[in-house]
Amino acid sequence: DQQVKQNSPSLSVQEGRISILNCDYTNSMFDYFLWYKKYPAEGPTFLISISSIKDKNEDGRFTVFLNKSAKHLSLHIVPSQPGDSAVYFCAASYSGGGADGLTFGKGTHLIIQP
Amino acid sequence: NAGVMQNPRHLVRRRGQEARLRCSPMKGHSHVYWYRQLPEEGLKFMVYLQKENIIDESGMPKERFSAEFPKEGPSILRIQQVVRGDSAAYFCASSPVLATFSGANVLTFGAGSRLTVL
Repeated sequence: DQQVKQNSPSLSVQEGRISILNCDYTNSMFDYFLWYKKYPAEGPTFLISISSIKDKNEDGRFTVFLNKSAKHLSLHIVPSQPGDSAVYFCAASYSGGGADGLTFGKGTHLIIQP
Repeated sequence: NAGVMQNPRHLVRRRGQEARLRCSPMKGHSHVYWYRQLPEEGLKFMVYLQKENIIDESGMPKERFSAEFPKEGPSILRIQQVVRGDSAAYFCASSPVLATFSGANVLTFGAGSRLTVL
């Protein structure tokens, strides 16, 4: 049973436009959400996070939106740049979950076209 | 300040052999986590360790897999009698304190060890 779902295996966006990556979750206990970015042959690197008490968190070109009622979050990248081409993983955790509270989605491969 | 170091980066084993994957956490980090990524899948939690203690191994297969984090030296993930289904990328992550994900701590991942079982 997948608790964190990224339904788009890949997404192609033109350079300079907005990239929107989506993530849905089923476990209402999740109270913290993270996005990781992964290049080939490298480990995932932390990108941005959001607590369930917020509905938006912004960091430069990256903004994460959380809709708790819909159990949905999205990552917006604007403007998209070639270096943004990578696999993006959505992850979720809950305060009482300890180490195994970090549950990952399968990832979305973002391709930025020139 | 080196990040999380994993070795080997690539390991090829024949069925029935043993695989040992090593992880040195970031300097100052005393908590280590192992995750596995199967082809076309996300990262799955395996085990969480502190020095000389296994804190949570709920994601570890019951047989053939073991992990340790000795007082001195790297953390080791050991897979005995490997099978083809063990072929995956194994990622180690570390954090300085319990990763409560409250915003103060997030996991720092290594580059991974890719195990191929022939």
